[in-house]
Amino acid sequence: ETGVTQTPRHLVMGMTNKKSLKCEQHLGHNAMYWYKQSAKKPLELMFVYNFKEQTENNSVPSRFSPECPNSSHLFLHLHTLQPEDSALYLCASSQQGGRSKNIQYFGAGTRLSVL
Amino acid sequence: AQTVTQSQPEMSVQEAETVTLSCTYDTSESDYYLFWYKQPPSRQMILVIRQEAYKQQNATENRFSVNFQKAAKSFSLKISDSQLGDAAMYFCAYIGQGGSEKLVFGKGTKLTVNP
Repeated sequence: ETGVTQTPRHLVMGMTNKKSLKCEQHLGHNAMYWYKQSAKKPLELMFVYNFKEQTENNSVPSRFSPECPNSSHLFLHLHTLQPEDSALYLCASSQQGGRSKNIQYFGAGTRLSVL
Repeated sequence: AQTVTQSQPEMSVQEAETVTLSCTYDTSESDYYLFWYKQPPSRQMILVIRQEAYKQQNATENRFSVNFQKAAKSFSLKISDSQLGDAAMYFCAYIGQGGSEKLVFGKGTKLTVNP
């Protein structure tokens, strides 16, 4: 499979649960991103990783914890979420460096529902 | 801060006709990229077309073309010979080259294609 793969596609969790979202990119990119997409709002950038190092944390609550063990994998660990955290979570990757940088390729997202 | 505005929450077009989606943006940077992404019901965000600000020539990709007006900070997307598969949410996005490499999205335009 090519591109950016996200699992699971759907997730329902209670506010006391702990779960993780997984993203894997098969494009050889060196940067990965987490976005939150809520109804009627623009996509919100949550985290950016360049070469496995976190370079951006866009004032995200600590109940969201990212992990990037290597340049191909990105996780978002979730704990004690709130109902307002229900949204589509999108992962993206890009190749930093050169004029071809900044083209971000997206996965199909995880639809998260917090009960 | 950079902002992207899509003033048309919804648009519709007859199959085989042409439709134009509007986008304006605000920035003080001179070097940047603009993008149109398509998000069909499958949720995968797909890059449709990209424009580099230093290029005066409007980008084209098959039936998709843009009208880039740098002075007016306008970046509209024209879809010619519309097809049923073009039905989706379309997002305009901006990224600057000045250091902060955040991709800033508009709120999107929902395009319906009528048979």
